[in-house]
Amino acid sequence: EIVLTQSPGTLSLSPGERAALSCRASQSISSNYLAWYQQKPGQAPRLLIYGASNRATGIPDRFSGSASGTDFTLTISRLEPEDFAVYYCQQYDTSPDTFGQGTKLEIK
Amino acid sequence: VQLLESGGGLVQPGGSLRLSCVASGFTLNNYAMSWVRQAPGKGLELVSTISGSGGSSTYYADSVTGRFTISRDSSKNTLYLQMSSLRVEDTAIYYCAKRPRGALRYNWFDPWGQGALVTVSS
Repeated sequence: EIVLTQSPGTLSLSPGERAALSCRASQSISSNYLAWYQQKPGQAPRLLIYGASNRATGIPDRFSGSASGTDFTLTISRLEPEDFAVYYCQQYDTSPDTFGQGTKLEIK
Repeated sequence: VQLLESGGGLVQPGGSLRLSCVASGFTLNNYAMSWVRQAPGKGLELVSTISGSGGSSTYYADSVTGRFTISRDSSKNTLYLQMSSLRVEDTAIYYCAKRPRGALRYNWFDPWGQGALVTVSS
């Protein structure tokens, strides 16, 4: 099973700042089969990025994803108040699909 | 496209429960569908997937194999998760989620339902 390790566990930033969230895979992920989700308290996860760098429908362009080997990054260029949430990465290359443990993005 | 779960509740260890997920805005049969759970304050875990496009291949996490069964009713456009021999560690919010294609694998989850809380406790 592929283990995804997200860092940092908690990221404290202010609105307007840039956020970079990391997701490292324990082995290579073919075809960049990696997705990112946002989850706010009491809500279901929402798809942000699939295929490592493709924004889902309706996702603002301040969200972007990138990949380098087994390292994946979700970048939020300029934080809005509604962006403070927990973010999860998911790989769907190797069964079973696995998720990272999450990064909590909190207001500083 | 919307997903609406129901059927959650409190059940004793060893008991059974059936979750339902009614789909609207698309034909359930054409897409792979999954159940993903989240224990209180914890991360996400894929529980089960059923393939779409007329197929019936299934996947189960090791932790639920032999105890949970995923199925769908095309006439009701509804996905089910039959859970039996429930354990305390099955306590979680259970989300149904649509996958973008019919294949069992190589798919992300979008969208997700609002979730159904299952509590296993004596």
